[in-house]
Amino acid sequence: GNSVTQMEGPVTLSEEAFLTINCTYTATGYPSLFWYVQYPGEGLQLLLKATKADDKGSNKGFEATYRKETTSFHLEKGSVQVSDSAVYFCALSPAYLYSTLTFGKGTMLLVSP
Amino acid sequence: DTAVSQTPKYLVTQMGNDKSIKCEQNLGHDTMYWYKQDSKKFLKIMFSYNNKELIINETVPNRFSPKSPDKAHLNLHINSLELGDSAVYFCASSHEGDTIYFGEGSWLTVV
Repeated sequence: GNSVTQMEGPVTLSEEAFLTINCTYTATGYPSLFWYVQYPGEGLQLLLKATKADDKGSNKGFEATYRKETTSFHLEKGSVQVSDSAVYFCALSPAYLYSTLTFGKGTMLLVSP
Repeated sequence: DTAVSQTPKYLVTQMGNDKSIKCEQNLGHDTMYWYKQDSKKFLKIMFSYNNKELIINETVPNRFSPKSPDKAHLNLHINSLELGDSAVYFCASSHEGDTIYFGEGSWLTVV
């Protein structure tokens, strides 16, 4: 079946540090890949997505590249801010109609001033 | 102008009660979902409806009953609430298999 594996948190960084959150997946075919973010006490927001191999999704300074050869979709940001503190979820959606999201377990990011 | 809205946001209730969470989307999407987020933040699909028809029903106790009166609404009714039902329930929607958008969540606490 489909699965997503994320690095365990919390990830603790100082402001302006470089961020990487690893995500690998197992799926048949060519799924779409997503990063969602959940700020404290809030709902899930789509951060970025990529729908085919070598696509790069980007938003708010975050980037992730769909790497089919390594089945990975690592999230990166060059300089994190305190306001980036949140839980980040990697997810995949198989390439067929009526598919749903399979989520990783989430990685908490804590950024200190 | 909220795209996917759910009510109530917070709900505290006693064991054994019956409660409902309502969800509405104004995006014109054809598919709606309920996801459950447990205390460890793990998210899992519960149900999915496409144009009011149930298409996905994961292994969920039959105390949980979704109802879709039209394709813009998907409500979740829970009978005989148990302590283990305490979680955050997210409604979501998508169109023709495209990106899934989530509501802000409903925090259910059973005491």
